[in-house]
Amino acid sequence: AQTVTQSQPEMSVQEAETVTLSCTYDTSESNYYLFWYKQPPSRQMILVIRQEAYKQQNATENRFSVNFQKAAKSFSLKISDSQLGDTAMYFCAFGRDDKIIFGKGTRLHILP
Amino acid sequence: EPEVTQTPSHQVTQMGQEVILRCVPISNHLYFYWYRQILGQKVEFLVSFYNNEISEKSEIFDDQFSVERPDGSNFTLKIRSTKLEDSAMYFCASKQQGYSPLHFGNGTRLTVT
Repeated sequence: AQTVTQSQPEMSVQEAETVTLSCTYDTSESNYYLFWYKQPPSRQMILVIRQEAYKQQNATENRFSVNFQKAAKSFSLKISDSQLGDTAMYFCAFGRDDKIIFGKGTRLHILP
Repeated sequence: EPEVTQTPSHQVTQMGQEVILRCVPISNHLYFYWYRQILGQKVEFLVSFYNNEISEKSEIFDDQFSVERPDGSNFTLKIRSTKLEDSAMYFCASKQQGYSPLHFGNGTRLTVT
């Protein structure tokens, strides 16, 4: 069975700093995809970024980028120039075909 | 932009009662899901639904739970006899095809008293 591990339950950084959230996963599948979702205090689940396992190039969305290391089964999220609105719970997710599972999340606080 | 909509936003029920949580997925999506999040904890997979049948379910999704897509637009989660530990936020999600990301509704907060 697939598992997703986020080893940092909580992190705090100053506004404008760069922060990296860690995620590792375990699978025997070769084709899959990975996501980071953000859950602000409103409890909505918002897609931040996605990565297909067959792509070697790391995905980037504005200030958000990933470091995807397939052999190490690692998928970290880097947030550059962090903003107060980035304060949220961040969930790493593993997906294949019809199932997506989530890690336990990292609570990120951006401090003014 | 199309959205997944869930109703109600908050449901309070007494232990032992049946509840039905409703969702309208995005219209051209083919895969439908229910997830559960107990306050402050991880988002747990309950069930996936494709081609009018359950494609996968977790160990949480026992005989007390059922899903239905009665009319081609709604997707419902029924809990037959609620327990205190069913209190959680329930998220409906849908996606267009196998490798698409999930689009989530805003959730239904279920409180069992």
